[in-house]
Amino acid sequence: GDSVTQMEGPVTLSEEAFLTINCTYTATGYPSLFWYVQYPGEGLQLLLKATKADDKGSNKGFEATYRKETTSFHLEKGSVQVSDSAVYFCALSAETNAGKSTFGDGTTLTVKP
Amino acid sequence: DAGVIQSPRHEVTEMGQEVTLRCKPISGHNSLFWYRQTMMRGLELLIYFNNNVPIDDSGMPEDRFSAKMPNASFSTLKIQPSEPRDSAVYFCASSRRTSGTDTQYFGPGTRLTVL
Repeated sequence: GDSVTQMEGPVTLSEEAFLTINCTYTATGYPSLFWYVQYPGEGLQLLLKATKADDKGSNKGFEATYRKETTSFHLEKGSVQVSDSAVYFCALSAETNAGKSTFGDGTTLTVKP
Repeated sequence: DAGVIQSPRHEVTEMGQEVTLRCKPISGHNSLFWYRQTMMRGLELLIYFNNNVPIDDSGMPEDRFSAKMPNASFSTLKIQPSEPRDSAVYFCASSRRTSGTDTQYFGPGTRLTVL
């Protein structure tokens, strides 16, 4: 079945550091890939997504590129802020699954001033 | 546009009591999902509906859990009887279409504590 493997956390960075959170997936066909973010006490919300190979999703300075050859969708940001502290979830959704998504375990990011 | 609405936001109950969690999806969305989140098990999909019909309930832990969607604007997740191990944050999410490309929109969650 489909699966998503995320870099284990927690990740602690200083403000303005470069961020990479690794995500690899296993799926049949051509899934869409997502990064969701969960701030403390809130539900998950979409950060960015990519629906086909070589697409780059971007939002709020975060980027991720859909790499089919390496089955990866790594999240990057050039300069993190304290306000980026949250839990980040990588997810995939396949057309054959009628909208059902498979989520990774989440990576907790803490940014210190 | 209102997002996904869940109620109550917090619920504290005693073991053996019935608990009902409620969800109103975003208007026009055809898919609805119930998730449970705990530190130990992470985010788990319990059940999801397409056009008010349950499609996959394989994530429902046991017969104590049941979910209904009587119409496009309302769903409930019921636990009867509740147990301390059911303590978790329960999220409802909805999406526009039954398509793999669509984003899921999550509600704020219901934090359930079973004593």
